[in-house]
Amino acid sequence: DGGITQSPKYLFRKEGQNVTLSCEQNLNHDAMYWYRQDPGQGLRLIYYSQIVNDFQKGDIAEGYSVSREKKESFPLTVTSAQKNPTAFYLCASRGDTNTEAFFGQGTRLTVV
Amino acid sequence: GQQVMQIPQYQHVQEGEDFTTYCNSSTTLSNIQWYKQRPGGHPVFLIQLVKSGEVKKQKRLTFQFGEAKKNSSLHITATQTTDVGTYFCAGLPGNAGGTSYGKLTFGQGTILTVHP
Repeated sequence: DGGITQSPKYLFRKEGQNVTLSCEQNLNHDAMYWYRQDPGQGLRLIYYSQIVNDFQKGDIAEGYSVSREKKESFPLTVTSAQKNPTAFYLCASRGDTNTEAFFGQGTRLTVV
Repeated sequence: GQQVMQIPQYQHVQEGEDFTTYCNSSTTLSNIQWYKQRPGGHPVFLIQLVKSGEVKKQKRLTFQFGEAKKNSSLHITATQTTDVGTYFCAGLPGNAGGTSYGKLTFGQGTILTVHP
């Protein structure tokens, strides 16, 4: 059953702690993306990767880090430097240069 | 950098009324995609437009891509309660191509509410 999986669905962390969000896909897609969604602000691009071992900053990369050691996996770390980390985080992948993005179910992160 | 603006932010309609959302890019796009996100869900792809001036239809939905490939619109005829959700446009920069997947930039979305 092919798809893109994010875990966990809900995540709670204390302020000042780093937290890593998981994103795994078995679609054999080269490109993967991380977006942040806040009410009324749509989807803002954090990082994206077009190939293994390479990634680029999006529009709001400060306070976040990523890695792309395997084609299937693109984890996102929300560091303590991110001032407002509470948000809904969406991971997506694309399989070809002219095709649509497939999204995971999202992780809702709450920092208290 | 590339910016994609979408209006309106909210739209409330009575069931049966029409609905339109507009998308404008600060730069020329290679293509534009539209997605729908149901409340509590994740964005799901609706359609992609590639050619200048292209018009595509999906049942009651009509999608247009501007001649300059910098703007697009989604029009829903005779809305139904099943149309409720947030509609996003997403653009790829005009220099995307070849082996470059490009930076997929989303608009802010239009939240559609349909009153029965």
